[in-house]
Amino acid sequence: SQTIHQWPATLVQPVGSPLSLECTVEGTSNPNLYWYRQAAGRGLQLLFYSVGIGQISSEVPQNLSASRPQDRQFILSSKKLLLSDSGFYLCAWSNRLNSPLHFGNGTRLTVT
Amino acid sequence: QQPVQSPQAVILREGEDAVINCSSSKALYSVHWYRQKHGEAPVFLMILLKGGEQKGHDKISASFNEKKQQSSLYLTASQLSYSGTYFCGTEGTTDKLIFGTGTRLQVFP
Repeated sequence: SQTIHQWPATLVQPVGSPLSLECTVEGTSNPNLYWYRQAAGRGLQLLFYSVGIGQISSEVPQNLSASRPQDRQFILSSKKLLLSDSGFYLCAWSNRLNSPLHFGNGTRLTVT
Repeated sequence: QQPVQSPQAVILREGEDAVINCSSSKALYSVHWYRQKHGEAPVFLMILLKGGEQKGHDKISASFNEKKQQSSLYLTASQLSYSGTYFCGTEGTTDKLIFGTGTRLQVFP
């Protein structure tokens, strides 16, 4: 069966510090991978999605970037965090178009 | 363009019914529905594909009218476990899923 791992679960970082969140999927090949962000009490904002290694589509211009160095690994990064980067970050995978999204447990990021 | 959901919030007693609507300004190929409990990740409920189909899962069902670019989620005889925030998600011709504005549902005994 397929599983998705996302870590860490919680993170507190000072403004201006770097960020690296990692997500890995097991049990499937060539999945679509997604990063979403959810501000407190708000909806799910699509940040990046990838349909293959090295193929990243950015949805919202910001100081975040994403990379997919391996088929089942998706990394979200920032060189310098802003207060507005605080939120609940969710990684998800799916098997192509019109397939359910399966989410990781999320990372709750607080930028202080 | 983010799909718009209505209502924004619903309060129910156990056993009551509810309808949540999702409307998009863009042509849709599929509509997803997810439920998110407080502090947790969203969980997939169902997906409806182009073709005006309806689906059901236990006492939760949904319809999709691609001509009107709308979908509705029907919760029948609600249970306490139905509480949470419901999101629709829409796909066009690309592999990205855009989520709606969300509907918070609270079920009380």
